[in-house]
Amino acid sequence: DIQMTQSPSSLSASVGDRVTITCRASQSVNNYLNWYQQKSGKAPKLLIYATSLLQSGVPSRFSGSGSGTDFTLTISSLQPEDFATYHCQQSYSTPITFGQGTRLEIK
Amino acid sequence: QLQLQESGPGLVKPSETLSLTCTVSGGSISSNTYYWGWIRQPPGKGLEWIGSIYYSGSTFYNPSLKSRIAISVDTSKNQFSLKLNSVTAADTAIYYCARTYNWNDGGDWFVPWGQGTLVTVSS
Repeated sequence: DIQMTQSPSSLSASVGDRVTITCRASQSVNNYLNWYQQKSGKAPKLLIYATSLLQSGVPSRFSGSGSGTDFTLTISSLQPEDFATYHCQQSYSTPITFGQGTRLEIK
Repeated sequence: QLQLQESGPGLVKPSETLSLTCTVSGGSISSNTYYWGWIRQPPGKGLEWIGSIYYSGSTFYNPSLKSRIAISVDTSKNQFSLKLNSVTAADTAIYYCARTYNWNDGGDWFVPWGQGTLVTVSS
């Protein structure tokens, strides 16, 4: 199985901050890397697919980059509604696997 | 707008079989563009892909669960289902169903998701 490791596991930031979350794969996943946002008590919501493509309806302050084994999710200017847990997911090989999640909290 | 809704018992006894159904509304389950998956999340933990199915009935399972699971589809009801047998407390989780979109140049991703249903394994 491809192990996905996110860092940090948790992060405190303020409204307006620029935030970057990292996801590292145990082997190359090409560009088959997706990001989800999960708010408390809710289902995950797709933010970015195929490393850098923004899902319809997702604000442009979210962006993704990377290739191979190292990927990042960047929020350019945090808004109050962005405080949530973020998950990365690879689909390069079966089984599909997720990172452990990064909890983004208000400072 | 496509919506998915999980249904099934919220409490299952150890060693018994967990059975869940996902009902798809606002679109057809019979599509060559998408397929359909189950994902679970133990309380306070990360996400685990369980398995997926095409409307044709072709399935893909997580090897860690393969010996205990069966996913099926009923196109006449626009539903797909999950059965997980010999459950233990470790199977306690929120179970989500989701449409899976596949792109040859970008992999597979889950959108949208159902709201999830908590299944507790306890006697």
